[in-house]
Amino acid sequence: QSALTQPPSASGSPGQSVTISCTGTSSDVGGYNYVSWYQQHPGKAPKLMIYEVSKRPSGVPDRFSGSKSGNTASLTVSGLQAEDEADYYCTSYAGSNIYVFGTGTKVTFL
Amino acid sequence: QVQLQESGPGLVKPSETLSLTCSVSGGSINSGYWTWIRQPPGKGLEWIGCIYYTGSTNQKTSLNSRVTISVDTSKNQFSLKLGSVTAADTAVYYCARGGLPGGFDFWGQGTLVTVSS
Repeated sequence: QSALTQPPSASGSPGQSVTISCTGTSSDVGGYNYVSWYQQHPGKAPKLMIYEVSKRPSGVPDRFSGSKSGNTASLTVSGLQAEDEADYYCTSYAGSNIYVFGTGTKVTFL
Repeated sequence: QVQLQESGPGLVKPSETLSLTCSVSGGSINSGYWTWIRQPPGKGLEWIGCIYYTGSTNQKTSLNSRVTISVDTSKNQFSLKLGSVTAADTAVYYCARGGLPGGFDFWGQGTLVTVSS
């Protein structure tokens, strides 16, 4: 149950796109279509942004999209806005009702 | 709208047991999974374990022997006990609803627990 690997940081200019990767193994990310993504602002609880790899909960802007290829999942934020500056975490089901989080990525403006 | 609220001591002595309760309102605990997640200061999120409303549990392997998660459906609450704590267990502890298939969709505000003598 090692943490999934995310880049420590990612940045983009307002209006541009930024993509965050989340790399695991065939025992977690690659083995199940149960990857979810969370946004966390400082001092706040995380917020679910994407579930089941690419589905958006009600109320999440369609600027947020998810995908997966092999053992790597990705979150793309298009049309970057000020409120998108935050930490982002992926998580994956790892079988036997066990979950593993990613190491987290801080998204900032250039 | 489901709401979750953690409660419990903010300070625990080393080697003692950390005990937290999550109260659920706006919905019934009598369905699905309920989860504990923690975040050490300045660090990332860590899944601790979860409980199905019927009482079956799963925990992170490395914490398995120290973690007990229970549910009280009559009070619409679930609880976490973490034994033999050390400074490394200092973290903000969150309770959340969910797991499969829809992720953790509702979260408590989190409560900071510090392990110190």
